[in-house]
Amino acid sequence: AQKVTQAQTEISVVEKEDVTLDCVYETRDTTYYLFWYKQPPSGELVFLIRRNSFDEQNEISGRYSWNFQKSTSSFNFTITASQVVDSAVYFCALSENRDDKIIFGKGTRLHILP
Amino acid sequence: EADIYQTPRYLVIGTGKKITLECSQTMGHDKMYWYQQDPGMELHLIHYSYGVNSTEKGDLSSESTVSRIRTEHFPLTLESARPSHTSQYLCASRAQGRYEQYFGPGTRLTVT
Repeated sequence: AQKVTQAQTEISVVEKEDVTLDCVYETRDTTYYLFWYKQPPSGELVFLIRRNSFDEQNEISGRYSWNFQKSTSSFNFTITASQVVDSAVYFCALSENRDDKIIFGKGTRLHILP
Repeated sequence: EADIYQTPRYLVIGTGKKITLECSQTMGHDKMYWYQQDPGMELHLIHYSYGVNSTEKGDLSSESTVSRIRTEHFPLTLESARPSHTSQYLCASRAQGRYEQYFGPGTRLTVT
């Protein structure tokens, strides 16, 4: 069965600090896809990144970076030099190759304090 | 990136009323989804569709129904709203051959 665990329910950091959001997943498939979404207070889920199981290369996009490690079944998300606008709920998610559905973690609420 | 529209954005309605939440996308995506998000943030898939005339129930049992008569349109209907239906409803779509879903802005429903 597939499962996504985001152990951090809520995190608060002061602006300009770095913060890492943890994500651990479970799947029996060898081909799968991992995602991160951001949900700002407006409510819309914004797609941030997709990672394929066969590509373990880490990715950086501006202040955002993602660390994918199959050995530990983790797909962590780091925000460098956090800003107040980063305050949101962040969801990690998983989709198996044979499934058209996405399984979401329960989300981590991130507060960036000025 | 998909353009997905949901109306209304906010709705307050009395118990027993019939309501339809609208969802439309302009990218020609075959696959569409409805999620219910409770106040505790967790997302629950309640309906999905692979294309026209295809609808399936999701992982969370829901009293709502959906239809897919046109590719771009995937409305959700509650025949008789109850306070337990108070939630945010999010619509999403996905392109063939891709795995990420793109979401609309959501409808916040309050049933009094």
